[in-house]
Amino acid sequence: DIQMTQSPSSLSASVGDRVTISCRASQSILIYLNWYQQKPGKAPKLLISAASSLESGVPSRFSGSGSETDFTLTISSLQPEDFATYYCQQSDSSPPTFGGGTKVEIK
Amino acid sequence: QVQLVESGGGVVQPGRSLRLSCAASGFTFSHYAMHWVRQTPGKGLDWVAVISYDGNNKYYAESVKGRFTISRDNSKNTLDLQMNSLRADDTAVYYCAREGGIYCAGDCPTAEDYWGQGTLVTVSS
Repeated sequence: DIQMTQSPSSLSASVGDRVTISCRASQSILIYLNWYQQKPGKAPKLLISAASSLESGVPSRFSGSGSETDFTLTISSLQPEDFATYYCQQSDSSPPTFGGGTKVEIK
Repeated sequence: QVQLVESGGGVVQPGRSLRLSCAASGFTFSHYAMHWVRQTPGKGLDWVAVISYDGNNKYYAESVKGRFTISRDNSKNTLDLQMNSLRADDTAVYYCAREGGIYCAGDCPTAEDYWGQGTLVTVSS
């Protein structure tokens, strides 16, 4: 199985900060990397697919980049509603696998 | 709008069985592969199984292979997960999720674009 490693596992930031979350795959996954946001007690919500394709309705402050093994999720200006846990997922090969998550907390 | 509603969770003893269901609406169910993904309380996400849009292809995580069976009824817009020989480490919230691309055989490199609210399964004596 392809292992997905996210860093950091948690971070503290203030409203308005630029936040970057990294995700590394144990082998090349081309661009088949997805990002999800999850708030407590809620289902994951797809933010970005295929490394950089923003889902409809997702604010433009979210962006994704990367290819092969290294990927990044960036929030350009953190908003109060962005405090949540973020997961990356590879969909290049079965089984699809998730990173361990990055919890974004209020500083 | 797309809606996925899971049901069937509960408390069950180790070794027993449970059947989860997911009712889909707001889209042409028969065009989409469907997944089950679980999340251990307080932990991360683990993919469980996928079934192709037509039900002909099914794939499972190694941890559930031989114990869980995924199925669908395209005439009723429902997805099921039959879970047998349950173990304590199957305790989790189980989500059904839609594959993002249409007519996938279960192996498309696309994301799960819609998720249900989840149903909690607790395996405990």
